[in-house]
Amino acid sequence: GAVVSQHPSWVICKSGTSVKIECRSLDFQATTMFWYRQFPKQSLMLMATSNEGSKATYEQGVEKDKFLINHASLTLSTLTVTSAHPEDSSFYICSASGRAPETQYFGPGTRLLVL
Amino acid sequence: GEDVEQSLFLSVREGDSSVINCTYTDSSSTYLYWYKQEPGAGLQLLTYIFSNMDMKQDQRLTVLLNKKDKHLSLRIADTQTGDSAIYFCAEKDGNTGKLIFGQGTTLQVKP
Repeated sequence: GAVVSQHPSWVICKSGTSVKIECRSLDFQATTMFWYRQFPKQSLMLMATSNEGSKATYEQGVEKDKFLINHASLTLSTLTVTSAHPEDSSFYICSASGRAPETQYFGPGTRLLVL
Repeated sequence: GEDVEQSLFLSVREGDSSVINCTYTDSSSTYLYWYKQEPGAGLQLLTYIFSNMDMKQDQRLTVLLNKKDKHLSLRIADTQTGDSAIYFCAEKDGNTGKLIFGQGTTLQVKP
């Protein structure tokens, strides 16, 4: 149990375009979802926390207008990178927690390359 | 802020035991975790321990927690080549509920 999927697994886009990444909890209801960013050979950096039906809470230094997060249902959260630039290229990973709030289950990640 | 530290690299021979160490600074941690990340993949939750426990064993995995010294370790018995990956230690901040990750330990298993 506790499977989290992400789509797409990788995306290449042109500078200035927007990219939407989906995170789904497949077999449980995720009351809270988290979005992380991971640079090569580095640890995970928390970008934002979202609870279903409410606005996301962003970490310091993360632009909320650039990284739009929507958590419209208990099984789906989306991250939209607006007007992407090459410096936004990274590995984006979501995680979800549900009835057992002590555990976070991670998705497989989405690799974004902005040209 | 809170900090989690891990050694960056560990190399062992197949069949040996691996011990990955982690230290943290947050005295209000509620849970501590070990995650495994294979190349190009997300994080797989291996095991976690509640902060009032000393030890947890799950098949080949043994977690030891020394709360006084704020030291966490993961022992993998009979290490296999498939165990080669990056292992992240994380603690759950008792105040914010957020996970604070270490830098990750790359485990290399030689045949």
